[in-house]
Amino acid sequence: DTEVTQTPKHLVMGMTNKKSLKCEQHMGHRAMYWYKQKAKKPPELMFVYSYEKLSINESVPSRFSPECPNSSLLNLHLHALQPEDSALYLCASSQDRGNNQPQHFGDGTRLSIL
Amino acid sequence: AQSVAQPEDQVNVAEGNPLTVKCTYSVSGNPYLFWYVQYPNRGLQFLLKYITGDNLVKGSYGFEAEFNKSQTSFHLKKPSALVSDSALYFCAVSPKRNNQGGKLIFGQGTELSVKP
Repeated sequence: DTEVTQTPKHLVMGMTNKKSLKCEQHMGHRAMYWYKQKAKKPPELMFVYSYEKLSINESVPSRFSPECPNSSLLNLHLHALQPEDSALYLCASSQDRGNNQPQHFGDGTRLSIL
Repeated sequence: AQSVAQPEDQVNVAEGNPLTVKCTYSVSGNPYLFWYVQYPNRGLQFLLKYITGDNLVKGSYGFEAEFNKSQTSFHLKKPSALVSDSALYFCAVSPKRNNQGGKLIFGQGTELSVKP
């Protein structure tokens, strides 16, 4: 069982909808991440939060808006997405942003944009 | 540019035989090295990491990896493959740069198929 929980598991939305992806961990980790993954490809980093503050934004379009309400929760707000945004969105956490820390991944939200 | 290469898109192994999934990297300094596995419809699972010390690292599910500094390689190995090992494997590297903590450089992935 994964220790990082993501909801929903699947999401279908139109290009004009607003939706949110949620991620939760209770391992006491202080770094949390959002990734986008296309089929059979490596994950692409989108955002990194450290101690609830945004540390890295990999030039992600503004239609993706991250939020870290507290140390256990990470949200990704979606608005006016494009068909090419259809992908698996993975959340991960690590003890901190130390380069030697392994990341623990959730099972993702599979997003389809109509 | 810093990069990680997994030269084989797919590796096919018979159950019970040893397996190797290859990884080489081109990263300055002495980076930290990781292997992750992704089963169908799941997220990535951490298998093992090399930080320093012994070049042979043991990890989850009977996997181990051999670090070779001169060849800048970090190959994943298992003495006896199981059908349940069939999955997508990613090698990842974390450069030792203070301002980029948390950023992993991933290889393109290797699909491992173990046949009975």
